[in-house]
Amino acid sequence: GENVEQHPSTLSVQEGDSAVIKCTYSDSASNYFPWYKQELGKRPQLIIDIRSNVGEKKDQRIAVTLNKTAKHFSLHITETQPEDSAVYFCAANDQAGTALIFGKGTTLSVSS
Amino acid sequence: GAGVSQTPSNKVTEKGKYVELRCDPISGHTALYWYRQSLGQGPEFLIYFQGTGAADDSGLPNDRFFAVRPEGSVSTLKIQRTERGDSAVYLCASSPVGGSNTGELFFGEGSRLTVL
Repeated sequence: GENVEQHPSTLSVQEGDSAVIKCTYSDSASNYFPWYKQELGKRPQLIIDIRSNVGEKKDQRIAVTLNKTAKHFSLHITETQPEDSAVYFCAANDQAGTALIFGKGTTLSVSS
Repeated sequence: GAGVSQTPSNKVTEKGKYVELRCDPISGHTALYWYRQSLGQGPEFLIYFQGTGAADDSGLPNDRFFAVRPEGSVSTLKIQRTERGDSAVYLCASSPVGGSNTGELFFGEGSRLTVL
């Protein structure tokens, strides 16, 4: 089945810096790659997603890139702010397209 | 309701007991998912419902775990003979259409299960 690896597990940046989180996946049939943000004690919430027919998608300070050949995708956050501090999860759909398989998460800390 | 509702928010039980966790999805959402999240880990897929039927239950760890969605709305996750290793936050999510490749999952706040 699908396996999603996520790096780094923790990331600390200064306010205003950029942050990059990388994920790899194993199933070449995967075609949907969302990113979720989970604040402490809260539910995961979708922040951006990308489908396999595009290589890059941007939404204000957040962007995601996808390399299907290499089977990896990345989250880029520019001009980080303290409220960006949270755990970020990447995910990919499985072979059947029914389940989202999540990475183990990256704890992002933005200090002011 | 406005979002996915899960009850109870916290459940403490003793090893060997039976537990039921309830999920009330967003009205009109046909797809419903159960995930389990242990401390410091990502959500782990358990089961997916499309309407009343379990379309994919490949994530259920063993036969102590079972889930139902009899009327295609509310779902109940049932755990028999609980073990300490079952302690985790159980997350429910719903989606307007079937299949995770179609879009966003809307998660509930989760039910935190502690098995003593």
